[in-house]
Amino acid sequence: DAGVTQSPTHLIKTRGQQVTLRCSPISGHKSVSWYQQVLGQGPQFIFQYYEKEERGRGNFPDRFSARQFPNYSSELNVNALLLGDSALYLCASSGGQGGWDTEAFFGQGTRLTVV
Amino acid sequence: GQQVMQIPQYQHVQEGEDFTTYCNSSTTLSNIQWYKQRPGGHPVFLIQLVKSGEVKKQKRLTFQFGEAKKNSSLHITATQTTDVGTYFCAGPEGAQKLVFGQGTRLTINP
Repeated sequence: DAGVTQSPTHLIKTRGQQVTLRCSPISGHKSVSWYQQVLGQGPQFIFQYYEKEERGRGNFPDRFSARQFPNYSSELNVNALLLGDSALYLCASSGGQGGWDTEAFFGQGTRLTVV
Repeated sequence: GQQVMQIPQYQHVQEGEDFTTYCNSSTTLSNIQWYKQRPGGHPVFLIQLVKSGEVKKQKRLTFQFGEAKKNSSLHITATQTTDVGTYFCAGPEGAQKLVFGQGTRLTINP
């Protein structure tokens, strides 16, 4: 079985642009979460979706939005990019019912660079 | 909100030496998870601890969950170069998110 897949793997954008990142969870997993990891720090929670509904949102501005599709894949959108948005964006899926009583499986991430 | 702190931030050891990283949460945790991230890679799940005072071993790795379920530790015996990476602990905050510590970066001199 394929693991969590994310696309693209690398991306360079200019300040003010918009970006869409994509994630396909492990087959059968209905929960998808997004994390931002700045170099040298731990992952910071952005969103969690379960069964296409937003279950949680971290302390990120409204420029960040996400959605989950009927096949449980997900997109993360970031508008009006700032230099500080440069980071590794990680998608994680889990097999639980949206809670964290089971392990999270992370994708390889999308490395976003804003110039 | 919940905070998870890890110490040390960095640790450099000679191959064969032991290594320990400590994790402390500002709140009582329902469980604690440990992840390893190799340089240039993504976090990979190592283990989950659920019970107060629980100790689990994976070969040379020993994980411990504190009695109050607010702290945890990871101990590696006789480090090998394959142990290089950053080790994160993470605890659930509610049902929505995992809160990660800032990680302990382990480097090893062969």
